[in-house]
Amino acid sequence: KAGVTQTPRYLIKTRGQQVTLSCSPISGHRSVSWYQQTPGQGLQFLFEYFSETQRNKGNFPGRFSGRQFSNSRSEMNVSTLELGDSALYLCASSLVMGGPDTQYFGPGTRLTVL
Amino acid sequence: AQSVTQLDSQVPVFEEAPVELRCNYSSSVSVYLFWYVQYPNQGLQLLLKYLSGSTLVKGINGFEAEFNKSQTSFHLRKPSVHISDTAEYFCAVSDTRAQKLVFGQGTRLTINP
Repeated sequence: KAGVTQTPRYLIKTRGQQVTLSCSPISGHRSVSWYQQTPGQGLQFLFEYFSETQRNKGNFPGRFSGRQFSNSRSEMNVSTLELGDSALYLCASSLVMGGPDTQYFGPGTRLTVL
Repeated sequence: AQSVTQLDSQVPVFEEAPVELRCNYSSSVSVYLFWYVQYPNQGLQLLLKYLSGSTLVKGINGFEAEFNKSQTSFHLRKPSVHISDTAEYFCAVSDTRAQKLVFGQGTRLTINP
């Protein structure tokens, strides 16, 4: 079974631009979560989607948004990029929402904002 | 709200020596506990998780962890490490309702030959 895939793997953008990252979960998984990883702040939860609805949200500004499609694929969008948005963005999928279900992580998209 | 503290940012050990990576958590509700490993330029891989039951949890690659409720700890151990264990290790908690993981700052494990 294929794992979680994220595209693109690397991105370079300039301040003020916007970016869209994509995540394809493991087949059959319906929950997708996004995390930001930076050297200073570590791993921080962005949001979780289940059945095309955002179920949980972390403490990030409104510039960070996401969506989930009917096939469970998810995208996250960051508008008006800032230098501090440079990070590794990780997507994780699980079978169901909530409870003890294991989250499986993708390799991440490394975003560099110049 | 939950929080996680990994007490060591870096742990250097010699190959075939035992290792313990320390993790303490704080929560006002019941939690699930996890250890993930991240190899360079890769995502996170689950090593083991504690949901309930036996406090000693065995995971992949010879790792195990012990849940101690009174000390709010979930330390990770391996009796004999290999060069291939060089990676960053993250302890995480989630409450029993949501998928949101709260991570510690990570411990970089370096294995010296």
